Amino acid sequence: GAGVSQSPRYKVAKRGQDVALRCDPISGHVSLFWYQQALGQGPEFLTYFQNEAQLDKSGLPSDRFFAERPEGSVSTLKIQRTQQEDSAVYLCASSPGPTNTEAFFGQGTRLTVV
Amino acid sequence: AQSVSQHNHHVILSEAASLELGCNYSYGGTVNLFWYVQYPGQHLQLLLKYFSGDPLVKGIKGFEAEFIKSKFSFNLRKPSVQWSDTAEYFCAVMPAGNNRKLIWGLGTSLAVNP
Repeated sequence: GAGVSQSPRYKVAKRGQDVALRCDPISGHVSLFWYQQALGQGPEFLTYFQNEAQLDKSGLPSDRFFAERPEGSVSTLKIQRTQQEDSAVYLCASSPGPTNTEAFFGQGTRLTVV
Repeated sequence: AQSVSQHNHHVILSEAASLELGCNYSYGGTVNLFWYVQYPGQHLQLLLKYFSGDPLVKGIKGFEAEFIKSKFSFNLRKPSVQWSDTAEYFCAVMPAGNNRKLIWGLGTSLAVNP
């Protein structure tokens, strides 16, 4: 596709359930980012990949959050034992190269933990 | 800690009015600066960016922003808004260096009345 694709668009999880959120970046894009956006807030950085290497995971809020990009293209953000405070929109972005600073965003996955 | 402050959380204007949205950041070093827009139901899109050079940058749809280093500001302007400019506007900062993450403001919700 032409843009960054995220799935599912909406996810409702029961507290304690594990979830997996998928991101398909723009083909050929080297850099991939995950952000978390709570209601009424700006996005907050979670983690950054350059190809398959996770170069920065300083924003992951706890060890329940895990991200991977095993082949340097599709990425998955996994949240284990979800809690209500995990409810947010999870945004994925990609950019063409390691030094190109313009990021292209997907529409996000809205996660609601009940 | 690095932060981005957007002064206006909600702005309501009539068509043809002029727009200025404030953005200040706290970081003493070199930064790259961005304004993103999110139209209702759509993904974040880049409006304009500043990396270096002329501090007055022009973006899409008639928007411009001025980087004033001494004031740590990057205000967004448009001389005459249209109903279609109704959206959420986010200012973001990327401190220069190996860390590629964006630091975001809380966003400004703009409603333009026809």
